[in-house]
Amino acid sequence: GNSVTQMEGPVTLSEEAFLTINCTYTATGYPSLFWYVQYPGEGLQLLLKATKADDKGSNKGFEATYRKETTSFHLEKGSVQVSDSAVYFCALSDRPGRRALTFGSGTRLQVQP
Amino acid sequence: ETGVTQTPRHLVMGMTNKKSLKCEQHLGHNAMYWYKQSAKKPLELMFVYSLEERVENNSVPSRFSPECPNSSHLFLHLHTLQPEDSALYLCASSQDTPGGSETQYFGPGTRLLVL
Repeated sequence: GNSVTQMEGPVTLSEEAFLTINCTYTATGYPSLFWYVQYPGEGLQLLLKATKADDKGSNKGFEATYRKETTSFHLEKGSVQVSDSAVYFCALSDRPGRRALTFGSGTRLQVQP
Repeated sequence: ETGVTQTPRHLVMGMTNKKSLKCEQHLGHNAMYWYKQSAKKPLELMFVYSLEERVENNSVPSRFSPECPNSSHLFLHLHTLQPEDSALYLCASSQDTPGGSETQYFGPGTRLLVL
């Protein structure tokens, strides 16, 4: 079956540090890949997505590249801010017609001033 | 209102109560979803409705009963819940196409506590 594995948190960084949150997946076919972010007390917001190999999703300074050869979709940001503190979820949608997203367990990011 | 809204945002109920969660999407989508988010567990898909028909039910206990009266509204009726049902219940919507589903957009969730 499908699965998404994320690094366990919490990840604690100082403001302006470089961020990487690892995500690897197992899926049949050619999944679409997503990063969602959940701020405290809120629901999930789509951060970025990529629908085919070598695509790069980007938004708000965050980037992730769809790497089929390593089945990875790592999230990166060059300089984090306190306002980036949240839980980040990697997810996949595995084939056309499949409506469910498979989520990773989430990685909590804490950015200190 | 824009996006996906959920009410109530917080709910405390006893095990013998009956309550309902409401979700409304203002995005013109044709598919809606219920997810359960428990502490330290990945999000779990509970129900999927596409064009107001239930298309997936991931072995959810019968004490959870969904209802989708139209493409903009989704309810989750709750009765005789257990304390382990305490969680954040998230609603989402997307636009289904012949090629598959597009991105899902989530509401803020209902934080449920069962005593």
